[in-house]
Amino acid sequence: DAMVIQNPRYQVTQFGKPVTLSCSQTLNHNVMYWYQQKSSQAPKLLFHYYDKDFNNEADTPDNFQSRRPNTSFCFLDIRSPGLGDAAMYLCATSVNRGRETQYFGPGTRLLVL
Amino acid sequence: GENVEQHPSTLSVQEGDSAVIKCTYSDSASNYFPWYKQELGKGPQLIIDIRSNVGEKKDQRIAVTLNKTAKHFSLHITETQPEDSAVYFCAADGRGNFVFGPGTRLSVLP
Repeated sequence: DAMVIQNPRYQVTQFGKPVTLSCSQTLNHNVMYWYQQKSSQAPKLLFHYYDKDFNNEADTPDNFQSRRPNTSFCFLDIRSPGLGDAAMYLCATSVNRGRETQYFGPGTRLLVL
Repeated sequence: GENVEQHPSTLSVQEGDSAVIKCTYSDSASNYFPWYKQELGKGPQLIIDIRSNVGEKKDQRIAVTLNKTAKHFSLHITETQPEDSAVYFCAADGRGNFVFGPGTRLSVLP
């Protein structure tokens, strides 16, 4: 089945130690999104790629970076995780930008010690 | 920019009863309104969506209604079952990216 896959499902890192989360998709969608979701809150968009075009949200901290080496894979890099970055990180895809269904992966829960 | 409000924040119903969750949005340019169900520890899953050229859409026990004039849309779940217990998020497409409502925690009591 076509799907959005996130690895790992759980990630533990230390304060200030860089961490990378990965997302892959078999849907062949043009757009890939990264969201941050804290407990009991709605997902908050960090950035998205439309093909190779990177689009950062205005309030996304510089500590968060992303790479999309090809259509199938997208990575979220947190350069120096703080305690406030502990959250669920969700990857989503859509065929095109705007007014299109977004399909979410299962998420990676990040714990910062 | 777009702002989406969602009510109620928590909802408890008896199994077999109906549940209704309402959302309002601010940007008249929004044209696409999905509803997502999120179970504990999982990613959001699309359950139904509606576009602005349609007033109502139904899929088995789930329906969504849209009033573009009043800028609100609602999720209706009939004959609720314990497996419907989850957090539900509405969203509006704004001017490109989704804006989510704050979520409704639905509990279906057996």
